[in-house]
Amino acid sequence: SAVISQKPSRDICQRGTSLTIQCQVDSQVTMMFWYRQQPGQSLTLIATANQGSEATYESGFVIDKFPISRPNLTFSTLTVSNMSPEDSSIYLCSVAQGSSFSGANVLTFGAGSRLTVL
Amino acid sequence: QQQVKQSPQSLIVQKGGIPIINCAYENTAFDYFPWYQQFPGKGPALLIAIRPDVSEKKEGRFTISFNKSAKQFSLHIMDSQPGDSATYFCAARIEAGTYKYIFGTGTRLKVLA
Repeated sequence: SAVISQKPSRDICQRGTSLTIQCQVDSQVTMMFWYRQQPGQSLTLIATANQGSEATYESGFVIDKFPISRPNLTFSTLTVSNMSPEDSSIYLCSVAQGSSFSGANVLTFGAGSRLTVL
Repeated sequence: QQQVKQSPQSLIVQKGGIPIINCAYENTAFDYFPWYQQFPGKGPALLIAIRPDVSEKKEGRFTISFNKSAKQFSLHIMDSQPGDSATYFCAARIEAGTYKYIFGTGTRLKVLA
């Protein structure tokens, strides 16, 4: 399966600032996703990062708050803009790949970027 | 409804025990059900998965039991080891042919030596 590298692994930021998280995959993938994992909670899909077009955002997430870039098939960035303490979460990059499980597409995740907003 | 309910929130077992984690869903359009294992500081990793036309799937010490009529599925870990201590998430694919999954809220498992 693909190997996903995320940077930074963690950061502490001040309220009102923005932070860009990078996701690098060791192989070309069509589908890349960004998830948020709030403390003690489930994983929530923020958006699908589409190569060559705008990202597709899920309900409750907007481009102004979470702008995403996808310049090629191995790289994407997620920016968390104008941060508040409520944005403190782990942000996970993910790719979809076919698997040995009956050919279904499953998700492979990076290690995540733990963001703390003061 | 677009949610998967997972229980328990946390679980402690002795080494060799068989922890069981349960998930339930409402939407019959969900068509694929993976389980993910997450260690501290790591991203979730696919553990095992099942389709709703199969009642049981085994991968080593990990078994999924699936009850389609009850819309429930569970993860059993046989002969659990301290190295199995992690957070486990069930998930459900929202629609066939998509990559969209709904995740449960996670179960923090601790296996005592």
